[in-house]
Amino acid sequence: AQSVTQLGSHVSVSEGALVLLRCNYSSSVPPYLFWYVQYPNQGLQLLLKYTSAATLVKGINGFEAEFKKSETSFHLTKPSAHMSDAAEYFCAVSEGFGNEKLTFGTGTRLTIIP
Amino acid sequence: NAGVTQTPKFRILKIGQSMTLQCTQDMNHNYMYWYRQDPGMGLKLIYYSVGAGITDKGEVPNGYNVSRSTTEDFPLRLELAAPSQTSVYFCASSYGRDRGTEAFFGQGTRLTVV
Repeated sequence: AQSVTQLGSHVSVSEGALVLLRCNYSSSVPPYLFWYVQYPNQGLQLLLKYTSAATLVKGINGFEAEFKKSETSFHLTKPSAHMSDAAEYFCAVSEGFGNEKLTFGTGTRLTIIP
Repeated sequence: NAGVTQTPKFRILKIGQSMTLQCTQDMNHNYMYWYRQDPGMGLKLIYYSVGAGITDKGEVPNGYNVSRSTTEDFPLRLELAAPSQTSVYFCASSYGRDRGTEAFFGQGTRLTVV
């Protein structure tokens, strides 16, 4: 069975500092991995995804994530935080076809300190 | 572009009442999903549909019903509302079932059962 663990339900960083949001997964097959972002009072929006091509994946708004099989990790990073990055971030894993096979993590709320 | 539209945005229900959460999408997506989001719990799949006339249970279907009479609409029905159904509900759609297919989310319905 697949699962996702997001370490840290709340992360605060200063504006301009590195953003690092952690995601570890468990999967019995080569996984597809996703990061979704939820801005206040909005639905989720796809940030980036790993689909077994390049292990370093670039997404929207300057975010990127690296798939590390040996560490079963898919951490999300951004070199320089912006106030507009304040949101909740969800990591998700899929072992099968269709979004009904998605398993979401519990989310990390990112706060940006001016 | 409207994308996925959910109504209402907020609702307070009394225990035992019923209601229908509306979801419509204008992207001609065959696949649609209902999730609930609880604090610290991530998103859980309630029901999904792979096309008009076809629905199936997700991880947490008890207390809910769905129908899919058209490609555009996927309403979620709550019968005999209970406090445990207090949550934020998200409808989503996707164009395919390939691994890695992006899900498009509505803005959510915040439901409180008192």
